[in-house]
Amino acid sequence: AAGVIQSPRHLIKEKRETATLKCYPIPRHDTVYWYQQGPGQDPQFLISFYEKMQSDKGSIPDRFSAQQFSDYHSELNMSSLELGDSALYFCASSPPTGHPEAFFGQGTRLTVV
Amino acid sequence: DAKTTQPPSMDCAEGRAANLPCNHSTISGNEYVYWYRQIHSQGPQYIIHGLKNNETNEMASLIITEDRKSSTLILPHATLRDTAVYYCIVFPSNTGKLIFGQGTTLQVKP
Repeated sequence: AAGVIQSPRHLIKEKRETATLKCYPIPRHDTVYWYQQGPGQDPQFLISFYEKMQSDKGSIPDRFSAQQFSDYHSELNMSSLELGDSALYFCASSPPTGHPEAFFGQGTRLTVV
Repeated sequence: DAKTTQPPSMDCAEGRAANLPCNHSTISGNEYVYWYRQIHSQGPQYIIHGLKNNETNEMASLIITEDRKSSTLILPHATLRDTAVYYCIVFPSNTGKLIFGQGTTLQVKP
């Protein structure tokens, strides 16, 4: 079965650079979530999209932005990267109303040096 | 969103049942109980969810008390591959986001 695809799997950036993470949800899933997980921490909700509109917002820094495109894939844009942005970034998708469980991708490991 | 309380860690012998408790005393009537687990550095994995009835699937069973203030996730025959952090989450059906609190680190031992 198709799963949530995230790219790239690993990314190394320098401070003050920008990064773009991509997420391809499971086909026919209309909701996408983004999470950040620092070392030894629990996943922290960043932002979610439903039918290409932002549906909820968590602890996402102003330096970050995200969107969901017409094909339902999503991108997380991160600017002015800081050392503290080094983390695992997970994307998850969930199907239309009636099946609310979320399926997670394998994550993108971002290292800021 | 209702707050959940889980023990920080538990051990279980391989082949035995693992019973992971979760307290959610402030849960409201339209909030479901969801369980996820995260094996080291992998994406969280959905296990099971329920509203008020007990649920069972190929991975686990979920027992929810009649007053819905607590629940127990049961892994009937734990294996070493079940070693993970288990998260109990409650949120309204079909809305909102999954908020991961401090889960239970389950260590399955040979």
